Amino acid sequence: DGGITQSPKYLFRKEGQNVTLSCEQNLNHDAMYWYRQDPGQGLRLIYYSQIVNDFQKGDIAEGYSVSREKKESFPLTVTSAQKNPTAFYLCASSGREGNEQFFGPGTRLTVL
Amino acid sequence: AQTVTQSQPEMSVQEAETVTLSCTYDTSESDYYLFWYKQPPSRQMILVIRQEAYKQQNATENRFSVNFQKAAKSFSLKISDSQLGDAAMYFCAHPPPVQNFVFGPGTRLSVLP
Repeated sequence: DGGITQSPKYLFRKEGQNVTLSCEQNLNHDAMYWYRQDPGQGLRLIYYSQIVNDFQKGDIAEGYSVSREKKESFPLTVTSAQKNPTAFYLCASSGREGNEQFFGPGTRLTVL
Repeated sequence: AQTVTQSQPEMSVQEAETVTLSCTYDTSESDYYLFWYKQPPSRQMILVIRQEAYKQQNATENRFSVNFQKAAKSFSLKISDSQLGDAAMYFCAHPPPVQNFVFGPGTRLSVLP
């Protein structure tokens, strides 16, 4: 079955710690994305990557970092510089331009 | 900058009735795509329907259809014969040319039995 996986589903971390969220896809998509969703709100773009070894900042990149060493993988690191990291994080991928984005199930990050 | 507006933060509909969710967008492109996504309580984002701007015909997927008005930059979603499982957040989305999506703020739809 083709799809996008995110792990873990729930993540708890202490304030000041960096944490990495996993995103893997087996859809052979070139483009991958990270979004943040706060309660009752829409999706805000953190980073996106259109090709391996290349990525661009989205609207709210401060305090986050990404890598794209493999086509299938696009991990997101939430650093201690992110002022309010508690949120729901969604990863997505897409194929040709204009095609829909396919989403993973999301990771709920809580910083204590 | 690309923007997507959903002017109805919340809507409700009686089961088996029809409801229309509104979306307007801003673009300088002549050919583009528009999408409606559904996010149920599980928070999984699910594609509902897609419209290509160059197509005159409004897209339809079973009980879901759109009213696409290109000149007015309007893209509303109509849900017919509403079911309890339709209760969710609905997001309108428009990808600019560089593939990243711009999502609207969402409309929370409640379905009343």
